[in-house]
Amino acid sequence: QQPVQSPQAVILREGEDAVINCSSSKALYSVHWYRQKHGEAPVFLMILLKGGEQMRHEKISASFNEKKQQSSLYLTASQLSYSGTYFCGTDADDFGNEKLTFGTGTRLTIIP
Amino acid sequence: DTEVTQTPKHLVMGMTNKKSLKCEQHMGHRAMYWYKQKAKKPPELMFVYSYEKLSINESVPSRFSPECPNSSLLNLHLHALQPEDSALYLCASSQDKALAGTQFFGPGTRLTVL
Repeated sequence: QQPVQSPQAVILREGEDAVINCSSSKALYSVHWYRQKHGEAPVFLMILLKGGEQMRHEKISASFNEKKQQSSLYLTASQLSYSGTYFCGTDADDFGNEKLTFGTGTRLTIIP
Repeated sequence: DTEVTQTPKHLVMGMTNKKSLKCEQHMGHRAMYWYKQKAKKPPELMFVYSYEKLSINESVPSRFSPECPNSSLLNLHLHALQPEDSALYLCASSQDKALAGTQFFGPGTRLTVL
């Protein structure tokens, strides 16, 4: 089943912070975050593993709450370059899973 | 080389045409993927190849036919497509199918079926 992201879309001014949430109905082994700019391919940002630490990519960090089967992406002091659609990707909890299921997506627009 | 390349960038075809999409990676990855992405939607998995063998087919219609001639190359053969098949087709690779969450994507082929 597809993970659900919230919000669906958000508009921020440069320098503001944002939080994007990803929820799954299935137990998760790991969560992956991707960003896709308009007209481009998705780009891998980071992976969060069960029992792992909070991860960071530049001024973007993420957390993984295994009990709630949720992950959150935190964008601090947003830059224009952060604009794009963010997707979480999840593996189910069966070890050796082969495929990535993308979430519904969150469109982030940063304005000057 | 950390790049996945795809050709062509754009393709327009009629419903009776036969065409192929090509994907190439030289990162030594042993898993390769085809996705279909409609506007404002997440990518949807179509096929997974692992060590040049088809590992997953997500119930894709037979008018889409994948092929993996070697570990670096992945093709998608198209025949008798429908207008609703118009989409962005993305190829991706990962080190191994067990590391399916960490994928490198190509720029995609934007397909229009008339």
